[in-house]
Amino acid sequence: EPEVTQTPSHQVTQMGQEVILRCVPISNHLYFYWYRQILGQKVEFLVSFYNNEISEKSEIFDDQFSVERPDGSNFTLKIRSTKLEDSAMYFCASRQVADTQYFGPGTRLTVL
Amino acid sequence: AQSVSQHNHHVILSEAASLELGCNYSYGGTVNLFWYVQYPGQHLQLLLKYFSGDPLVKGIKGFEAEFIKSKFSFNLRKPSVQWSDTAEYFCAVISSGNTGKLIFGQGTTLQVKP
Repeated sequence: EPEVTQTPSHQVTQMGQEVILRCVPISNHLYFYWYRQILGQKVEFLVSFYNNEISEKSEIFDDQFSVERPDGSNFTLKIRSTKLEDSAMYFCASRQVADTQYFGPGTRLTVL
Repeated sequence: AQSVSQHNHHVILSEAASLELGCNYSYGGTVNLFWYVQYPGQHLQLLLKYFSGDPLVKGIKGFEAEFIKSKFSFNLRKPSVQWSDTAEYFCAVISSGNTGKLIFGQGTTLQVKP
């Protein structure tokens, strides 16, 4: 069964550094999402992406965040200058037109 | 703003006990409702979903949920839990007309004792 994959599984970085989290959505899916879950809190929507552009973003998704689908298979989330409060589990998800979102295993980001 | 509330943060049951996890949402329009499960060390997986039709939906592993529109609720049930059901359970909603973003509840940690 096709799966959403994410790399790396765990990323440790220093505050102020840039990080790129990578996702490979399911190949025939059209809608892509990033969510995050800070330890002990709920899963929060960050951004949705369709037709090569952001379709919706949350207030969390400020100018430090960006997303890209550089080559038709990868879907990346970049945090330009990480803060301590960016430490969280980041989940990528994808779906077809009117269907369920399928989630990747997540990347645990630790900012020191 | 839309929100989802799960009443139980941490539930501990013995095997064979019945389970009901509460979920309420706040949104007056048409919604699609989901329960996701996250087993230890694994990613979020869909248990069941409601889009329309029969408000009693059946999912995988013997789970079911009932959509009660008048109560804005979508409670998850299982008549007899197993140790392997130990996991975190998330209720989520998509409101119609938006980009399909999921609004999640806080999650409920279920611990089943053998």
